[in-house]
Formats: sequence, structure tokens, C-alpha cells
Amino acid sequence: NAGVTQTPKFRILKIGQSMTLQCTQDMNHNYMYWYRQDPGMGLKLIYYSVGAGITDKGEVPNGYNVSRSTTEDFPLRLELAAPSQTSVYFCASSNGRERETQYFGPGTRLLVL
Amino acid sequence: KNEVEQSPQNLTAQEGEFITINCSYSVGISALHWLQQHPGGGIVSLFMLSSGKKKHGRLIATINIQEKHSSLHITASHPRDSAVYICAVGTSGSRLTFGEGTQLTVNP
Repeated sequence: NAGVTQTPKFRILKIGQSMTLQCTQDMNHNYMYWYRQDPGMGLKLIYYSVGAGITDKGEVPNGYNVSRSTTEDFPLRLELAAPSQTSVYFCASSNGRERETQYFGPGTRLLVL
Repeated sequence: KNEVEQSPQNLTAQEGEFITINCSYSVGISALHWLQQHPGGGIVSLFMLSSGKKKHGRLIATINIQEKHSSLHITASHPRDSAVYICAVGTSGSRLTFGEGTQLTVNP
């Protein structure tokens, strides 16, 4: 199993551009999460999904959108990129709720200039 | 005040030392997780605790629900243990709240 994969690994965006961060898991997990990690800060939840077709906002959803059309994929869309969205983005998946282990992807480093 | 507080923020140790990282939280929880973030950035789960104590190799995690406190211990530390250690708590629901992490450096 590949686990959780993310693409791209690194991207530079100009202010106002849009992009999609891809996340795929092959563990048949229902729960998937997008986090951002800023230097010296804890992981912050952007959006999460408890199954195909179901998504919900986390702590910091502004400026982002998600969709979940399949169990495997959970893309994160950035519209109108801003410097404040410069961060490292992690996707994670789990088999259930808060007592289940979350498996993380390798991260996407995004720089908005 | 953050819901999850870790201490210390930074810790430097000599190889072989016993290490303790602390995590305090302010809300009722159903689970507490310890994670490790490697220098390259990857994050792996070490433990999930809802009570008591768990051990895996040289790592031991404990939790005191009444005092809202957990500790992660590393025995016989090694330079390869150098990483950021992250505490996260789960309340009812599927979300976790993360601490800011403890940067551990173990020198040979």
C-alpha cells in the first residue's frame, strides 16, 4: 500500500492564482483531513470529510474549498491565492473518529509570492 | 490560552539520557495522540491513549485523565530520536486539536 499520497511536493504561486492540492489514500478510509502547518504553530484543520459526498469546515476554512466524490480522493482547492496561504499542507486519513490513528501524507510546501 | 499546551518547546539531550515531554489540555477528551514529525517533515502516529500507559520499544506514553495531563518518555535516547513530538487531543467527533510540538535534539 502507498498509504496517503500528495501532489505536488512543492509549488510557488503568484498572488491571485488558483491551484488544487491532490490527496489520495488506498486504505479505504472513510475519514480524510486537510491541515496546514505554519512555522512554530500546531497543525490547524482546514476541512475534513467523513465519507464520499460529505465535507465540513475545520478551524481555518477561509480561502479553501474541498470536494469528496470518491473514497480515495480528497482534493483541496485554493482560489485567489494570498501570501497568508504560504504554508505546508498535510492530508491525512483514518478509519474512524478521534480514537483512530491518522495516517499522514508527505506534505505539500506552498509559497505564495 | 491554547487547548493543548506542550512543554518544553525545545529540548536538547545527550545520547543515552531519559527524556520526558509533557502535554496538558483544558477540555474533556476521549483520546490523546502522540505523533512524531521527522526532520524531513513526515508525520507518523506513535500512540493513541484513552487511559493508563502504553509502551513501544523505548517509548512510553502515560495519561492522567483527572489531571488532564500526558507525558511521553524516551529511554536511552539516541540521535535518531531527534524530531518534533506533537500531542493531539480528540473530543467527541472526528477532529483532533494539536499542540505546537516539542523540538527534541539528541546529541551524540
